[in-house]
Amino acid sequence: KNEVEQSPQNLTAQEGEFITINCSYSVGISALHWLQQHPGGGIVSLFMLSSGKKKHGRLIATINIQEKHSSLHITASHPRDSAVYICAVSEGSGNQFYFGTGTSLTVIP
Amino acid sequence: KAGVTQTPRYLIKTRGQQVTLSCSPISGHRSVSWYQQTPGQGLQFLFEYFSETQRNKGNFPGRFSGRQFSNSRSEMNVSTLELGDSALYLCASSFGGYSYNEQFFGPGTRLTVL
Repeated sequence: KNEVEQSPQNLTAQEGEFITINCSYSVGISALHWLQQHPGGGIVSLFMLSSGKKKHGRLIATINIQEKHSSLHITASHPRDSAVYICAVSEGSGNQFYFGTGTSLTVIP
Repeated sequence: KAGVTQTPRYLIKTRGQQVTLSCSPISGHRSVSWYQQTPGQGLQFLFEYFSETQRNKGNFPGRFSGRQFSNSRSEMNVSTLELGDSALYLCASSFGGYSYNEQFFGPGTRLTVL
C-alpha cells in the first residue's frame, strides 16, 4: 500500500511548455511538501502546503484537502527544470514523511 | 549560513560489517531526520531526532539505529550490513521540528555493500 501516488512517472516536455505533476494521498495530512532532486542526489524543498496555493517564480503549487490531491505546475518550462520532483506528506506534527515515487521531468531545448 | 553536511559522501563496505554515518544540521536547527533512497523503494523515512530524543521511527529493522548529540549533530548506524542496504542515505534538518517547517537536505552518503 502506497500512501502517496504521483503521476506521471516520466515526463518529457519542450522548452516553454506548461507542466503539471500530480500527487494523490490516502492519509490525513498535516503538511505536504514538494521536493526537487537533481542528478547527483541533492534535494531542495520547493514548497510546503497545508492549504490553498503558493507561487514562487514560475512554479505554482496547489492543494485540495478534501480531495487529498496536490498539483505542481511549472510555467514556461526550461531545460534547467529537468529533475525529479517528489511529493512528501506528513500525518502527524513531526517530520515523519511518506514519499511519492517521484516524477522524472526532462525539458528539451 | 552553512548547509547540512554529511560525512562520508561515499562508502564501500562488505556484508556483515557495520557503518556509521554522520549528519551536521544547519546551525540552530534542532530536528534531524534520516531517509534511505533506493531505485526500487524510493525515499523512505528512517527516523527523526529532536533535541536528542527519537520522536519518530520508520519501518526498518533494529539493525538501523541513530542518535543525536547536544549540538544537534546526528549519527546513524547500520549493523550487520546486507546487500539490500546499498542506498543513498539522506539527512534533513529543520528549525522547529514541525512538519510544516522547511526541510533542508544534505548531499547524502552513498553506501555500497559488497
